[in-house]
Amino acid sequence: EPEVTQTPSHQVTQMGQEVILRCVPISNHLYFYWYRQILGQKVEFLVSFYNNEISEKSEIFDDQFSVERPDGSNFTLKIRSTKLEDSAMYFCASNFGRTSGDNEQFFGPGTRLTVL
Amino acid sequence: AQSVTQLGSHVSVSEGALVLLRCNYSSSVPPYLFWYVQYPNQGLQLLLKYTSAATLVKGINGFEAEFKKSETSFHLTKPSAHMSDAAEYFCAVSPVQGAQKLVFGQGTRLTINP
Repeated sequence: EPEVTQTPSHQVTQMGQEVILRCVPISNHLYFYWYRQILGQKVEFLVSFYNNEISEKSEIFDDQFSVERPDGSNFTLKIRSTKLEDSAMYFCASNFGRTSGDNEQFFGPGTRLTVL
Repeated sequence: AQSVTQLGSHVSVSEGALVLLRCNYSSSVPPYLFWYVQYPNQGLQLLLKYTSAATLVKGINGFEAEFKKSETSFHLTKPSAHMSDAAEYFCAVSPVQGAQKLVFGQGTRLTINP
C-alpha cells in the first residue's frame, strides 16, 4: 500500500541553524501539506502546496519557512533560522487533486525536530 | 473560522467497555468531519469521515461516529474496547469548498485498562 514517507525521523539542531525536513508524498497525489504538533498541543496546519506553488498558509508559516518540490518525488520544508519554539513534530500529508474538502489526506510518520 | 473542541484530553475505559470520545465543531456551514488515530511513534491514520451523506458513519476497527447538526457534534464510539485501541484520537474539520486544510482538535488519549 502506498504511503507518505518522511526523513529524518528525528532531527536535533542548534538555535539559528537551518533545517530541511523531507517528505516523499504518495506518487499520484497532487496536493501536499505540512502540519506541526508541539508537544502536548494540537496538530496545526502550516501550508498547502499545489501545482508548484503555495495554495494556503497559516500565520505560523512566516518568512522563516519555505517549501519546495525540487523534483518529481520530494516535498521539503525549510526553516531558515530555527528558534527554540520550532521544536515540534512535523507531519507531511498528501492527497488527490480535487478541490472538495472530503478528500482524505494521507499522513507521514512525522519528523521530530528538537532545537537546542 | 472553523474550530474543533474535544472534551477530555484523557479517557480511560476497561477492556470490553463502551468507548465514547467527544467532538464538537464550530462552522458557519456544515463542514466535512474526520476522526484520525495516532498510535505511538506513527503518523495519523484516518478512522472515518463524514461528507454529508449518511449521518452515521462507520470506520475501521469497529469505530463509528454520528453527525448531529443540531448539536454540532461528531462523537466517536466503539461498543467494546480492545487493548489495541489505546492511542491518541483527533477530530478534525475541513471546509466543503475551497481550501483543504484540516483544523484539528486538541486530541484525546485513550487508555484501555485490562
